[in-house]
Formats: sequence, structure tokens, C-alpha cells
Amino acid sequence: EVQLVESGGGLVKPGGSLRLSCAASGFTFSSYSMNWVRQAPGKGLEWVSSISSSGSYIYYADSVKGRFTISRDNAKNSLYLQMNSLRVEDTAVYYCARGVLTTVVTPGYWGQGTLVTVSS
Amino acid sequence: QSVLTQPPSASGTPGQRVTISCSGSSSNIGTNTVNWYQQLPGTAPKLLIYNNNQRPSGVPDRFSGSKSGTSASLAISGLQSEDEADYYCAAWDDSLNGAVVFGGGTKLTVL
Repeated sequence: EVQLVESGGGLVKPGGSLRLSCAASGFTFSSYSMNWVRQAPGKGLEWVSSISSSGSYIYYADSVKGRFTISRDNAKNSLYLQMNSLRVEDTAVYYCARGVLTTVVTPGYWGQGTLVTVSS
Repeated sequence: QSVLTQPPSASGTPGQRVTISCSGSSSNIGTNTVNWYQQLPGTAPKLLIYNNNQRPSGVPDRFSGSKSGTSASLAISGLQSEDEADYYCAAWDDSLNGAVVFGGGTKLTVL
């Protein structure tokens, strides 16, 4: 069974940093692209970043480019999101999501999410 | 403003068939496959349709997807009260440096 478990969310002040982690199990992690997708309270889904299976290809939404860094450790079956220079508008539930197929980046399986609150 | 355009709301009565549209462009839906997700209140999104019209194991065949040109649709037949949820479409977009793009979501109400 595919399992994705996010951690690392919490309350942080504007300008602060946070590192999210996603522990994956139940599939061959190194074969799939991975994504971070967020959802602000009462809003729709917003793609944040994607990383290819090997980590060679990385993509970011314009809203986080230069502030967030996605990475993965295939030996540890883990995905990360380093978030710096956080803004109030980054407040959201952050979901880790596996590519739907080994050849398709778009999200398939999703974790339960971790809440990030940016507030003074 | 979402890259993919969905109606904000849809509704139907139990047993009815409803469709939700998703409009994009040549750089996303026109070139790449479409996924559909169901999000029940307070829960994570769940994959309903991938590769335009494929259902993951466990998804009832009441849910079906289609794609034509730069638009896609999700159809739900035999509507049930538990289908009341938010529905999102998504696709890869080849423009600029590449991105996953989502629709703004459609709130389905079962009357």
C-alpha cells in the first residue's frame, strides 16, 4: 500500500524558515517523480514544486522560486521541502504527492498533509 | 486565476448524471494527459481519473473521464450523496520551464 507521511509543519514568523519532510513507503520511491502541492485555508490546490525520480530535473512555481528548495534522498525514501523567507501568504496545508505513473509527473497518490502557518 | 478553467459549482439529484468541464490550452491539456481528483471536506485529494480516462483500482465505474482537444470532462453517473465534494483537474504544462497546473475546483452539491 502506498503511504506518504508529511511532517515538519508548524507556526513560524514571517521571514522565517521551515523544512518539510515526506516519508514514502509501499512503492519503489526512486522510480517516481514527486511533488509538493499546497492548499491555503478555504482555497483550491496550488502546485509548489516537482522533482524527477533521480533528482536531476526540478521545477518550481513562480510564487516560491528562489525561496523554496525541493530535494529527495532515494536511499531514505524521503522527500523534502526547505522553505525560506516565508510569507503570510505561504500559510497552507502542504501535501506530498507521488507522480501518478513512473512516466508522469502529475500527482497520483497524496499524503495527509501538514499545516504551515506563517504569522507574527 | 487558475490556468485550467472549471465551473465553480455543479449540482444534481441522486441518480442523475453530472459532468464537470476543464478547459485549458495547447501547452497543457492539448499536449498532456489529464488527472481528476475528489476532495471530501477535511481530507486530502484522492485520484479519481488519470491518463484522461483511466480509473485507479477501487474507483467506481460511475466516474469517467474524457478529453478532446484542449478540454476535458469528468462525468459522474448514478449520483450519490457521498459524491458531494470538491473536484479538481490537473495536467502538466509545457510552457515556460514546466509546471503542474490545476483547475480552480468545482464544488459538487447533491440536492
